[in-house]
Amino acid sequence: DIQMTQSPSSLSASVGDRVTITCRASQGISNSLAWFQQKPGKAPQLVLYSASKLESGVPSRFSGSGSGTDYTLTISSLQSEDFATYYCQQYYNTPRTFGQGTKVEIK
Amino acid sequence: QMLLQESGPGLVKPSQTLSLTCSVSSGSITSGTYYWSWIRQPAGKGLEWIGRIYTSGTTDYNPSLKSRVIISIDTSKNQFSLQLTSVTAADTAVYFCAREIRPWGQGKMVIVSS
Repeated sequence: DIQMTQSPSSLSASVGDRVTITCRASQGISNSLAWFQQKPGKAPQLVLYSASKLESGVPSRFSGSGSGTDYTLTISSLQSEDFATYYCQQYYNTPRTFGQGTKVEIK
Repeated sequence: QMLLQESGPGLVKPSQTLSLTCSVSSGSITSGTYYWSWIRQPAGKGLEWIGRIYTSGTTDYNPSLKSRVIISIDTSKNQFSLQLTSVTAADTAVYFCAREIRPWGQGKMVIVSS
């Protein structure tokens, strides 16, 4: 199985801050990486796919980068609606695996 | 926009079989080359991929659950299903169905308890 290591596990930030979350795969995944946002009691919502492609309807303040084993989700200017838990997922092979999540909280 | 909806019992007794169905609407389960997946999330914890099925019936399962999981598909009903046998309290979770990475269903809470 490909292990996905996400960091940090939580962070506190203020509205307007730039936020970066990283995800490291235990082997190369050829940009087959998705980022999800999950709010309490809701299903995860796709934010980015193929490491850097923005899902339709997602604000452009979200961006993704990376290659090989290391990937990054960046929120350029945090908004109140962005406070949530974020997960990365590799879909390079099966079993699909997720990072452990990063909870973005209000400072 | 395609919608997925999970359904099934919300309470299952230990040692019994958990059975859930995912109904697909506003689109055909046979259109395109997609896999249809099940994912679960225990309360307050992360996401665990259970397995997937293609329209041909080909399946892939998480090795950690493989001995207890069966995923099936009924293209005539535009549905796919999950069976998890010999459940314990550790199988208590919200179960999501999804078409690969999107879209996802809203989730179905399943509690394993006597």
